[in-house]
Amino acid sequence: SQTIHQWPATLVQPVGSPLSLECTVEGTSNPNLYWYRQAAGRGLQLLFYSVGIGQISSEVPQNLSASRPQDRQFILSSKKLLLSDSGFYLCAWSGSVQGRGLDGYTFGSGTRLTVV
Amino acid sequence: SQQGEEDPQALSIQEGENATMNCSYKTSINNLQWYRQNSGRGLVHLILIRSNEREKHSGRLRVTLDTSKKSSSLLITASRAADTASYFCATVKDTGRRALTFGSGTRLQVQP
Repeated sequence: SQTIHQWPATLVQPVGSPLSLECTVEGTSNPNLYWYRQAAGRGLQLLFYSVGIGQISSEVPQNLSASRPQDRQFILSSKKLLLSDSGFYLCAWSGSVQGRGLDGYTFGSGTRLTVV
Repeated sequence: SQQGEEDPQALSIQEGENATMNCSYKTSINNLQWYRQNSGRGLVHLILIRSNEREKHSGRLRVTLDTSKKSSSLLITASRAADTASYFCATVKDTGRRALTFGSGTRLQVQP
């Protein structure tokens, strides 16, 4: 069966420090991968998505970046965190053809990031 | 910008009652999906309805889609305290970006 792992669960980082969040998927190949951010009490904002190794689409211009070094690994990074980067970060995958998500998205358990 | 917008933002009902949540969107879609999120957790996929479908059922869930009005509704029948969560609609556009766009969600509280 397919599973998705996201870590860490919580993270407190000072302003200006770097960030690296990792997400891995098991039990499937060539998944579509996504990074979303959720502000408190709000909906999800799409940050990045990837349809294959090395293919990253950015939705929001900011100091975050994403990489997909392996088929089932998706990494969210920042060189210098801002206070506004605080939030709940969620990784997700879908496996449908053409990326229409016809089999639904499977989300990881999320990372609560607090920038202080 | 958010494609889907849910209504109401918050809903409180008694156990056993039905809960109805609505979602509106702005552009043509390929499909619309509903997700559930327990506090501080990841989202769980509930049900998907394609643009050429009008109604879909899954257990106690009933989803309708009106593409002419660009709206959808999620009905939870015979609600239980365990249904307490936030519910989000999300859409996939028919063209262009192939990723879910989420609304701001409805917070449902089911009182035992």
